[in-house]
Amino acid sequence: GAVVSQHPSWVICKSGTSVKIECRSLDFQATTMFWYRQFPKQSLMLMATSNEGSKATYEQGVEKDKFLINHASLTLSTLTVTSAHPEDSSFYICSARPPRGQGRPDTQYFGPGTRLTVL
Amino acid sequence: AQTVTQSQPEMSVQEAETVTLSCTYDTSESDYYLFWYKQPPSRQMILVIRQEAYKQQNATENRFSVNFQKAAKSFSLKISDSQLGDAAMYFCAADMNRDDKIIFGKGTRLHILP
Repeated sequence: GAVVSQHPSWVICKSGTSVKIECRSLDFQATTMFWYRQFPKQSLMLMATSNEGSKATYEQGVEKDKFLINHASLTLSTLTVTSAHPEDSSFYICSARPPRGQGRPDTQYFGPGTRLTVL
Repeated sequence: AQTVTQSQPEMSVQEAETVTLSCTYDTSESDYYLFWYKQPPSRQMILVIRQEAYKQQNATENRFSVNFQKAAKSFSLKISDSQLGDAAMYFCAADMNRDDKIIFGKGTRLHILP
């Protein structure tokens, strides 16, 4: 149990275009999902916390207008990179925490990640 | 400030041997959760083991065990009978405020020597 999927697994886009990444909890409902960014050979950097039915909470230094997060349902959160530029190229990972009674409490389960390349 | 520190950027161990990865953290909270995650070349983050701070007993998952020293704020991971598939980046992480956020260490890259 506690499986999280991401789509697409990789995407290449032109500079100036927008890209949407989906994060789904497949076998549990997640009121909270998280979006991370990971540069090569570095740790995960939390970008924002996505809350179902409310606005996302962004970490300091993360541009809200650049990285739009929508958590429209209990199983789906999306991250849209708007007007993407080469410096936005990175590996983006989402995670979700199952509610009590489904999987281990207080534990985040991660999606497989999305590699974004902006040309 | 709440921090998680992994002081070993890389480690190597001979196949079938035992290796210990170090992790220290800093928090003023008394109730929190600690984790070790594995990230293989596929980059999928995999939960290895989880420890609840209020439990004195060290967590164990098959070949993986932790040495949790709450007073010293230390949380090391021991891998016994190392296998080639254990080669990965290992991240120590903590949920210190129970506010859902996880703080990650910088990671330790583990090499398994055949």
